[in-house]
Amino acid sequence: DAGVIQSPRHEVTEMGQEVTLRCKPISGHDYLFWYRQTMMRGLELLIYFNNNVPIDDSGMPEDRFSAKMPNASFSTLKIQPSEPRDSAVYFCASSFGESPLHFGNGTRLTVT
Amino acid sequence: ILNVEQSPQSLHVQEGDSTNFTCSFPSSNFYALHWYRWETAKSPEALFVMTLNGDEKKKGRISATLNTKEGYSYLYIKGSQPEDSATYLCAPSGGGATNKLIFGTGTLLAVQP
Repeated sequence: DAGVIQSPRHEVTEMGQEVTLRCKPISGHDYLFWYRQTMMRGLELLIYFNNNVPIDDSGMPEDRFSAKMPNASFSTLKIQPSEPRDSAVYFCASSFGESPLHFGNGTRLTVT
Repeated sequence: ILNVEQSPQSLHVQEGDSTNFTCSFPSSNFYALHWYRWETAKSPEALFVMTLNGDEKKKGRISATLNTKEGYSYLYIKGSQPEDSATYLCAPSGGGATNKLIFGTGTLLAVQP
């Protein structure tokens, strides 16, 4: 079991550029979550999917953020255009049913 | 939206001390309470999932209790070791969204040798 895999580990981009973060959940897990970690707000839920369908996106900051899950083994979180205040660590997590979440190693995003 | 509070924000103890911290959450529409351990430069790892009032779980020197009627959970560490140094997060779920975990800001524990 390779665990939840996120890529890239680090991303540095300029303001206004499009950023795409990727996540491969653990095989067989039916829930996928995107969290953002900041100093101010801690670990903040952005969106989560069940069986590839978005269930709750109320945490997505604004229209610049979008997330997709085209199949059970892949999800993306896109920011377009990116802004310096988007700088944070973005975590993907997956779970099976109501079992505990398994987190990826995160993507550290820096927008200059 | 669940309002989760954890206290204290940070804690410094000596090796061998026992310690505990608190997670408070709204008791209405409660479903489950998760505890996670988050070491620096790593990702959060699950410790416990509790659902029943009065539940008590144990994993080595770490244990947790749950009071769903009054909306709190305690995490205890007996005989703290330097490797226990981490941020401990709690996350309740409820309100019909049993998988939607809202994390508290955590308690940062530093255990000095």
